[in-house]
Amino acid sequence: GQQVMQIPQYQHVQEGEDFTTYCNSSTTLSNIQWYKQRPGGHPVFLIQLVKSGEVKKQKRLTFQFGEAKKNSSLHITATQTTDVGTYFCAGLDNQGGKLIFGQGTELSVKP
Amino acid sequence: DGGITQSPKYLFRKEGQNVTLSCEQNLNHDAMYWYRQDPGQGLRLIYYSQIVNDFQKGDIAEGYSVSREKKESFPLTVTSAQKNPTAFYLCASSIGTGLDTEAFFGQGTRLTVV
Repeated sequence: GQQVMQIPQYQHVQEGEDFTTYCNSSTTLSNIQWYKQRPGGHPVFLIQLVKSGEVKKQKRLTFQFGEAKKNSSLHITATQTTDVGTYFCAGLDNQGGKLIFGQGTELSVKP
Repeated sequence: DGGITQSPKYLFRKEGQNVTLSCEQNLNHDAMYWYRQDPGQGLRLIYYSQIVNDFQKGDIAEGYSVSREKKESFPLTVTSAQKNPTAFYLCASSIGTGLDTEAFFGQGTRLTVV
């Protein structure tokens, strides 16, 4: 079945350093979504990308969707302690209906 | 307040017992999902439903059952056939399954089977 792989599984950074997580799908995706889950919380939607090659920014966060619509990345510039949590990508399969999540990247930020 | 509610937050059951997790939404969403979260494994799809009275198996449906008799409710039963049921269960809903479909999650139910 369709798989969405995400790397790295863990990332430890010093506050102020940049952070990137990568997402790859085994098949072409209709869209890619990104979520953040704070420790002890539930996933919260951040953004959705639909178009091939799309790039979107939210303050220090930059999201990209690959040209082939099979990969995506989230980049955080100058991390802050408030960025701590697990970041998930999720893709809607081509047949629609199934929202498949990657394994997530757990980010820890040392002050 | 509009939202998606899971209950209870913590649940303890003895091995061999079936248990039902509640998920209710008042967002008028057509699509609902159940995910299981284990450390290091992300969110794995158990079942999903695109419309009332219809649902499909996800990647790890064995040992679970669902129903969708009402649009706002999508309960998940963890049966005694589920070999490793202790986990964090998350319910989500979205408007539909078209392209513009952010998922809203409940607070989750942490199930412990002893």
